[in-house]
Amino acid sequence: GEDVEQSLFLSVREGDSSVINCTYTDSSSTYLYWYKQEPGAGLQLLTYIFSNMDMKQDQRLTVLLNKKDKHLSLRIADTQTGDSAIYFCAESMGNTPLVFGKGTRLSVIA
Amino acid sequence: DTGVSQDPRHKITKRGQNVTFRCDPISEHNRLYWYRQTLGQGPEFLTYFQNEAQLEKSRLLSDRFSAERPKGSFSTLEIQRTEQGDSAMYLCALRGSYNEQFFGPGTRLTVL
Repeated sequence: GEDVEQSLFLSVREGDSSVINCTYTDSSSTYLYWYKQEPGAGLQLLTYIFSNMDMKQDQRLTVLLNKKDKHLSLRIADTQTGDSAIYFCAESMGNTPLVFGKGTRLSVIA
Repeated sequence: DTGVSQDPRHKITKRGQNVTFRCDPISEHNRLYWYRQTLGQGPEFLTYFQNEAQLEKSRLLSDRFSAERPKGSFSTLEIQRTEQGDSAMYLCALRGSYNEQFFGPGTRLTVL
């Protein structure tokens, strides 16, 4: 079955880059997503990438996809305290409900 | 603003009571999804609708859970005879052009 794995915690210093990693099992995944959830808030879509892409950049966010290894990463440049949140990786096969990982809690130290 | 509101935002109930949550898309969306999120977990898919048709309900957690979307606009999720294990955040989401989901703020259910 589908499964998405993430490391649970990441701590970085303000101004450094953060890299959050995710692995997925379903090679049929068509779209992969990154969501952000701040305490007490809903899920905010940050970005997504098609499975036929290797990289996508959007301002401070860079998504890298290694389809052979089924590995997805989210790099946040110049990490700020406002980036402290839980980041969820999710995948779908194009027309199916999303399958989420358990989330990575990012703590930014000032 | 993700274009979807949920009501209530918080619900506290006693075990054994029935509860109903509502999801209101601001504009027309064919696809509407319900997810559940428990502490320390990512959202878990429950069910979804294409207009008023419920296309998948096998992932509803038990027969105490039911959902409707009578006119293809707003949707309701009902839990009968609530149990403490039902305590969670219940999220409604709308589908975008690339199957991305835009989530509402959620209804947090606490069963005492």
